[in-house]
Amino acid sequence: EAQVTQNPRYLITVTGKKLTVTCSQNMNHEYMSWYRQDPGLGLRQIYYSMNVEVTDKGDVPEGYKVSRKEKRNFPLILESPSPNQTSLYFCASRLDRARMNTEAFFGQGTRLTVV
Amino acid sequence: GEDVEQSLFLSVREGDSSVINCTYTDSSSTYLYWYKQEPGAGLQLLTYIFSNMDMKQDQRLTVLLNKKDKHLSLRIADTQTGDSAIYFCAESPGSSNTGKLIFGQGTTLQVKP
Repeated sequence: EAQVTQNPRYLITVTGKKLTVTCSQNMNHEYMSWYRQDPGLGLRQIYYSMNVEVTDKGDVPEGYKVSRKEKRNFPLILESPSPNQTSLYFCASRLDRARMNTEAFFGQGTRLTVV
Repeated sequence: GEDVEQSLFLSVREGDSSVINCTYTDSSSTYLYWYKQEPGAGLQLLTYIFSNMDMKQDQRLTVLLNKKDKHLSLRIADTQTGDSAIYFCAESPGSSNTGKLIFGQGTTLQVKP
C-alpha cells in the first residue's frame, strides 16, 4: 500500500530537549516536505527536499532542521524545541516538484506539545 | 502575495448539498486542490482542477473555478454523515518554484442526520 509513515503520532516534550520526527515513504517519490498545521492558519511549509541531499527552507523554517540521506526518509529535527513549536506536523511526498497534477500523499500527522 | 481564504464552518442536513467556498490571491496558480481531513488522520486529496478549466465533476463532487474572481468552490451532492470532516482548499502558486502548496484555514463541515 502506498503510504507516508510518520512517527511518533503523539509527543509531549520539554523545552530544549532535542527531538526527531521520522517520515518514510514507500513510493520512490523524489519530492518530500514538512508542514505544520495551526488553528486558523491552515498548513504552512517548513522545509522541502527535491531529492536526496537536496533540501531547502519553506515558509516557516526557524527552529527546524531536516536531512535527506536516503530517498525514502525525511526526518524533521528540532534541536531545541520551544512552546511555540507546539503544533500538528505533517510530512508529505509527491513524485517530483514539477508535476503538480500528481497527488501529494500526506502522513497521518504528529501532534507535538512542548511544555 | 500568496493567500487562500475559506469560511471556517458549514453545517448541513444529511441528503442536502454542501458548498464550500475558497478565494485565493495568486493569479498565476496552476492547480487548485481540495483536501479532506478526517479526525486523527492526514490529508486526503479529493480532487483538483487545472487553472484553465472552469468545472470538474467527479461522482458527488463538483468543483467550480472562477479565475476572474479567483474563487473556487466544492459542491458535495447528497451529503452523508461520513462527509463530516475538515476541507482544505489549496493552490500551487505559479510564482513559486518550491513545489509547495498554499492552504486555506480549512472549513469544518458538520453533517446532521
